[in-house]
Amino acid sequence: GAVVSQHPSRVICKSGTSVKIECRSLDFQATTMFWYRQFPKQSLMLMATSNEGSKATYEQGVEKDKFLINHASLTLSTLTVTSAHPEDSSFYICSARDSGTGGSQHFGDGTRLSIL
Amino acid sequence: KNEVEQSPQNLTAQEGEFITINCSYSVGISALHWLQQHPGGGIVSLFMLSSGKKKHGRLIATINIQEKHSSLHITASHPRDSAVYICAVRADKLIFGTGTRLQVFP
Repeated sequence: GAVVSQHPSRVICKSGTSVKIECRSLDFQATTMFWYRQFPKQSLMLMATSNEGSKATYEQGVEKDKFLINHASLTLSTLTVTSAHPEDSSFYICSARDSGTGGSQHFGDGTRLSIL
Repeated sequence: KNEVEQSPQNLTAQEGEFITINCSYSVGISALHWLQQHPGGGIVSLFMLSSGKKKHGRLIATINIQEKHSSLHITASHPRDSAVYICAVRADKLIFGTGTRLQVFP
């Protein structure tokens, strides 16, 4: 079945570090990918919508200079948390919409980011 | 009021029981997703529905577009079904319910 690979699964790093998270669709093309953030015991919050070959669309309150998104190909989107601080610690999940099968959406396993 | 409401928030069951999780929404949608999130955080897409009913193994999902309501049923529940089940509706974007935490005990 369709698989979305998200890497890394866990990151622990010092404050001020920039962290890049990759999201790949392994057996389908995804014109659109989504980045979500999830706080403990809360629902997923959409951060931004990533469209291949164009600029990402950010949700209100999400700093685009803080969370850089690149969607350079139909199978890869990256989220870079720049100059990360402890308040950026969270669970980040990507999702990819299959361009070919009625728009079914598949999720990555998530990245747990801990900033010390 | 949330645009997507799930009930119950928490559910405890004995192995073998029939489980029902409900989802009501208040917006126009093109599709509804049922997702399963395991304790490690990974999310599995169980169903995407726009009408009627779908079945996969012990899982059944139904949707009533007129009533803006969907249900997820688990037959013969098992401890490995323990997870958070999330309803998400597709409007202009995915809108998520707050999830139902299910624990199935042996």
